Amino acid sequence: NAGVTQTPKFQVLKTGQSMTLQCAQDMNHEYMSWYRQDPGMGLRLIHYSVGAGITDQGEVPNGYNVSRSTTEDFPLRLLSAAPSQTSVYFCASSYLYTGELFFGEGSRLTVL
Amino acid sequence: SQQGEEDPQALSIQEGENATMNCSYKTSINNLQWYRQNSGRGLVHLILIRSNEREKHSGRLRVTLDTSKKSSSLLITASRAADTASYFCATDPQETSGSRLTFGEGTQLTVNP
Repeated sequence: NAGVTQTPKFQVLKTGQSMTLQCAQDMNHEYMSWYRQDPGMGLRLIHYSVGAGITDQGEVPNGYNVSRSTTEDFPLRLLSAAPSQTSVYFCASSYLYTGELFFGEGSRLTVL
Repeated sequence: SQQGEEDPQALSIQEGENATMNCSYKTSINNLQWYRQNSGRGLVHLILIRSNEREKHSGRLRVTLDTSKKSSSLLITASRAADTASYFCATDPQETSGSRLTFGEGTQLTVNP
């Protein structure tokens, strides 16, 4: 099993550009989520999904969109990138209500 | 807002010593988890302790939970240089039951050979 796969690993954007961070998992997990990690602020939840067709907002959802058309995939879309979105983004998944999250290796995004 | 707060922010010890990290949180929880993150990598789950448990062991890890004080500690015994990493506590609030895990800011542990 590959686990949780994130692409790209690195991306540089200009302010106003849009892009999609991809996340795929092959563990048949119902729950998937996106976090951002910033120095001194730990991980903050952006959006999450408890199954295909179901998404909900986390702590810091503004500027991001998600969709969940399949169990395996949970892409994160930046609509109009801003320098404040410079961060490391992590996708994580788990079986529903079990608690243990499996993380991808992260996507480092820089917005100029 | 961050529910879990780790203490200390950074800890430097010698190989073979024990390392203790603490986590405090604010609301009622279903469980509390500890994760490890090596530099430039994703987080890896270490151990989960449920709200009705007081202590749990896994290899060289010992976790305690005091729900009356809303605090937890992670003890790593006989530390090794390979234990150098950031350690995060994460809380699973009762009202959201597994869907909104909240992470603290982490403790950076350095184990010197």
